[in-house]
Amino acid sequence: DAGVTQSPTHLIKTRGQQVTLRCSPISGHKSVSWYQQVLGQGPQFIFQYYEKEERGRGNFPDRFSARQFPNYSSELNVNALLLGDSALYLCASSANPGGYNEQFFGPGTRLTVL
Amino acid sequence: AQKVTQAQTEISVVEKEDVTLDCVYETRDTTYYLFWYKQPPSGELVFLIRRNSFDEQNEISGRYSWNFQKSTSSFNFTITASQVVDSAVYFCALFIIQGAQKLVFGQGTRLIINP
Repeated sequence: DAGVTQSPTHLIKTRGQQVTLRCSPISGHKSVSWYQQVLGQGPQFIFQYYEKEERGRGNFPDRFSARQFPNYSSELNVNALLLGDSALYLCASSANPGGYNEQFFGPGTRLTVL
Repeated sequence: AQKVTQAQTEISVVEKEDVTLDCVYETRDTTYYLFWYKQPPSGELVFLIRRNSFDEQNEISGRYSWNFQKSTSSFNFTITASQVVDSAVYFCALFIIQGAQKLVFGQGTRLIINP
């Protein structure tokens, strides 16, 4: 079975632009979470989505938004990009948010903001 | 508040030495899970181990072993007879079940194994 897939692999944008990152979860998984990993730090939780609804949000500004589609894939949008948004964006899928469910990570999208 | 601290930013050892990566966590939850992940230069997070808060048994998997002590809120990771392929950044993480399920990661420890 395919694992979590993310696109694009790499992306270069300039300050003020907008970006959309995509994630496809493992087949059968209904929950998707997004993490931001700035160079030299651990990943930071951004969002969790389940059944197209936001289940949780980390400490990120409103410039960050996401959505989940009926097929459980997800998009992360970042508006008005800042240099500090340069990071590896990781997507993780899990079966459902009830109780413990292991999160499986994708390879990430590396965003560079110039 | 939940927090994970990996005090060692970088460790450098010679191949075949044993090395221990420290992890201290904070949470008020009684049910939680602890993880270790390996992140090679490619960036993908590789799952190594998961422990729940009710299971304090130490675990060994080949050259890897983990020591979980609730009394000190620590979950340390030891690599025995290190190899160059072990070079990577290692993250300890705390899984939060209440509310939005999320992983809280430490800052990571960069492990360099020199030949």
